Amino acid sequence: AAGVIQSPRHLIKEKRETATLKCYPIPRHDTVYWYQQGPGQDPQFLISFYEKMQSDKGSIPDRFSAQQFSDYHSELNMSSLELGDSALYFCASSLSPNTGELFFGEGSRLTVL
Amino acid sequence: QKEVEQDPGPLSVPEGAIVSLNCTYSNSAFQYFMWYRQYSRKGPELLMYTYSSGNKEDGRFTAQVDKSSKYISLFIRDSQPSDSATYLCAPPSDSNYQLIWGAGTKLIIKP
Repeated sequence: AAGVIQSPRHLIKEKRETATLKCYPIPRHDTVYWYQQGPGQDPQFLISFYEKMQSDKGSIPDRFSAQQFSDYHSELNMSSLELGDSALYFCASSLSPNTGELFFGEGSRLTVL
Repeated sequence: QKEVEQDPGPLSVPEGAIVSLNCTYSNSAFQYFMWYRQYSRKGPELLMYTYSSGNKEDGRFTAQVDKSSKYISLFIRDSQPSDSATYLCAPPSDSNYQLIWGAGTKLIIKP
């Protein structure tokens, strides 16, 4: 069965650089979520999209932005990277926004040096 | 105080033991409860969920909800080394359905 695909899997950037993460949801899933997870921490919700519109916003820094495209894939853009941005970034998708049944990707590990 | 509390562990038990993982919550408006399992460096995966008080069984796993005491449990029978992971309880918010994550309990099954 198709799963959520994230790219790149690993990314190393310098401070103040920019990074872009991509997420391809499961086919027919119209809701995409972005989470940030630091070591030993629970996932922190960043932002979600439903039918290409932002549906909810969590603890996403102003330096970050995201969008969902017409093919339902989503991109998370991170600028002016800081050391504290080093984390695992997960994308998840669901059949609808009114469910807790999320399907997560393998994650993108960002390291900021 | 977090809305969802879990003992982070680690909880270490021998193979074959019955495991009890617990979670407490403060918001009585939560309607249903999800259990996610997360292996190291992997994304969380939904293990099971339950809507109401009582038990729900799925193979070796049983989820139990006691809404009167705001207490959630996940039992694993005949535990296997492959069950070693972090288990997170995550009820969806009653207002916007965003998952409210517990800190997760790290489980180690020793062969």
